[in-house]
Amino acid sequence: QSVLTQPPSFSAAPGQKVTISCSGSSSNIGNNYVSWYQQLPGAAPKLLIYEDNKRPSGIPDRFSGSKSGTSATLGITGLQTGDEADYYCGTWDSSLSVVVFGGGTKLTVL
Amino acid sequence: QLQLQESGSGLVKPSQTLSLTCAVSGDSISSGGYSWSWIRQPPGKGLEWIGYIYHSESTYYNPSLKSRVTISVDRSKNQFSLNLSSVTAADTAVYYCARVPHPTEAFDIWGQGTMVTVSS
Repeated sequence: QSVLTQPPSFSAAPGQKVTISCSGSSSNIGNNYVSWYQQLPGAAPKLLIYEDNKRPSGIPDRFSGSKSGTSATLGITGLQTGDEADYYCGTWDSSLSVVVFGGGTKLTVL
Repeated sequence: QLQLQESGSGLVKPSQTLSLTCAVSGDSISSGGYSWSWIRQPPGKGLEWIGYIYHSESTYYNPSLKSRVTISVDRSKNQFSLNLSSVTAADTAVYYCARVPHPTEAFDIWGQGTMVTVSS
């Protein structure tokens, strides 16, 4: 049972826009920065978003992050088949004193 | 460009100690502004953070693993290491090392990961 709650799966067609949610509490998302990671099949996770809404260099602007209260959202526009992956949110939990991750969302591009 | 590469035993017997090393190339591990971390992922499951070692060499561990974990750094070899003692089958996972730039607290560069199986 993950501290951060993500939908287990999501599917959409190429070209569409999707949003993946990550729900937490005041001890984690509500008071700490959120980051998002993409894990392609058989690969290591890759940082997509840090500090809620910042993109590392090389990450296309099709990927965006936002946060409101105790929930965060990853947005992906212009879906491509290469975006098919598992997506994880992560943050610090001040009560548990631990980095916590969501359970992951498997995105299928139909 | 900074790269991380994990290495170590892929098979560990129950009750023994798992030992892994993360070699850092492309920059010095002593560069300020970063901490170094281990994260693991059991087969078919999500990510679990194990701990950090800061530039000062102070460490911070996941409370659920704290009694069994040691993370250390060898600056002469430009690498850092993970020891996890008294392993059980529940410790079977892909183990990743990663860099954490401050103050982002995000894992910006990851190693490719190494699979460790705990079995007799």
